[in-house]
Amino acid sequence: GDSVTQMEGPVTLSEEAFLTINCTYTATGYPSLFWYVQYPGEGLQLLLKATKADDKGSNKGFEATYRKETTSFHLEKGSVQVSDSAVYFCALSSGYSTLTFGKGTMLLVSP
Amino acid sequence: ETGVTQTPRHLVMGMTNKKSLKCEQHLGHNAMYWYKQSAKKPLELMFVYNFKEQTENNSVPSRFSPECPNSSHLFLHLHTLQPEDSALYLCASSQEDANSYEQYFGPGTRLTVT
Repeated sequence: GDSVTQMEGPVTLSEEAFLTINCTYTATGYPSLFWYVQYPGEGLQLLLKATKADDKGSNKGFEATYRKETTSFHLEKGSVQVSDSAVYFCALSSGYSTLTFGKGTMLLVSP
Repeated sequence: ETGVTQTPRHLVMGMTNKKSLKCEQHLGHNAMYWYKQSAKKPLELMFVYNFKEQTENNSVPSRFSPECPNSSHLFLHLHTLQPEDSALYLCASSQEDANSYEQYFGPGTRLTVT
């Protein structure tokens, strides 16, 4: 079946540091890939998505590239802010409406 | 209202109580979902409704009873819950015939069972 593996957290960074959160997946066919973000006390928000190989999703300075050859969708940001502190979830959809989520990675950014 | 709304945001109930969680989506979507998010556990999909019909029930105990009267509203009826049911309950919606199937989430209901 489908699965998503994310790096364990928490990831602790200083403001303006470079961020990478690794995500790899196992799926049949050609899934769509997503990153969601959950701020404290809130629901999940769609951060970015990519629907086919080599697509790059981007939003709010975050980027992720759909790499079919390595089955990866790593999240990156060049300069993090304190306000980016949240839990980040990688997810996929294999052509059906249900999503398969990773366990989430907590990011803590200090001033 | 825009997006997906959930009420109440917080709920405390005893094990013998009956309560309901409400979700409403204002996005014109045709699929709705209930998830359970517990501390230090992966997000758990509970129920899926497509075009108001339940299409998935992931072995959820019968003390949780979903209801989807139309494509915009989703309820989760709760009765005789256990303390381990305390969690954040998230509602989401999506457009079933879209190409990428992204889901849009509400803010959740924080449930505490005493």
